[in-house]
Amino acid sequence: AAGVIQSPRHLIKEKRETATLKCYPIPRHDTVYWYQQGPGQDPQFLISFYEKMQSDKGSIPDRFSAQQFSDYHSELNMSSLELGDSALYFCASSAGTDVSYEQYFGPGTRLTVT
Amino acid sequence: EDQVTQSPEALRLQEGESSSLNCSYTVSGLRGLFWYRQDPGKGPEFLFTLYSAGEEKEKERLKATLTKKESFLHITAPKPEDSATYLCAVQAIGGTYKYIFGTGTRLKVLA
Repeated sequence: AAGVIQSPRHLIKEKRETATLKCYPIPRHDTVYWYQQGPGQDPQFLISFYEKMQSDKGSIPDRFSAQQFSDYHSELNMSSLELGDSALYFCASSAGTDVSYEQYFGPGTRLTVT
Repeated sequence: EDQVTQSPEALRLQEGESSSLNCSYTVSGLRGLFWYRQDPGKGPEFLFTLYSAGEEKEKERLKATLTKKESFLHITAPKPEDSATYLCAVQAIGGTYKYIFGTGTRLKVLA
């Protein structure tokens, strides 16, 4: 079965640079969520999109922005990177926003800021 | 504030030694509680969804139960391949669909 695809899998950037993370949801899934997981920490919700509209916003820094495109893929844009942005970034998708639609997670993008 | 707490933080079991992981939650209203398994460096893998107190779900050696304040993940006769971090998450009522995760229980099953 098709899963959530994230690219790149690993990314190394320097402070103050920008990064773009991409997420391709499971086919026919219209909802995308972004989470940030620091070392030894639980995933923290950043932002979500339903049918290409932002549906919820969590602890996402103003330096970050995201959008969902017409083909339902999503991109997380991160600017003025800081050392503290180093983390695993997960994208999850679901078939809708109802609770019966579980979120399925991608393999993550490991971002390292030096 | 909605909160999820998992215990213990880490657990070492001998192969075949059954045990339970706990997930306590405080939410204004529970829409659903979810259990995930996460292997190092990988994305969380969905295990179960529980919606209401008294509900139980099973999958192979795992059984999840739910009360009004907590959920348990029972592991019966675990095998080394069950070693992973088990995450609990809740989705609260109130117009938001985000998951609130606990910090997880790191399970190590020794052969």
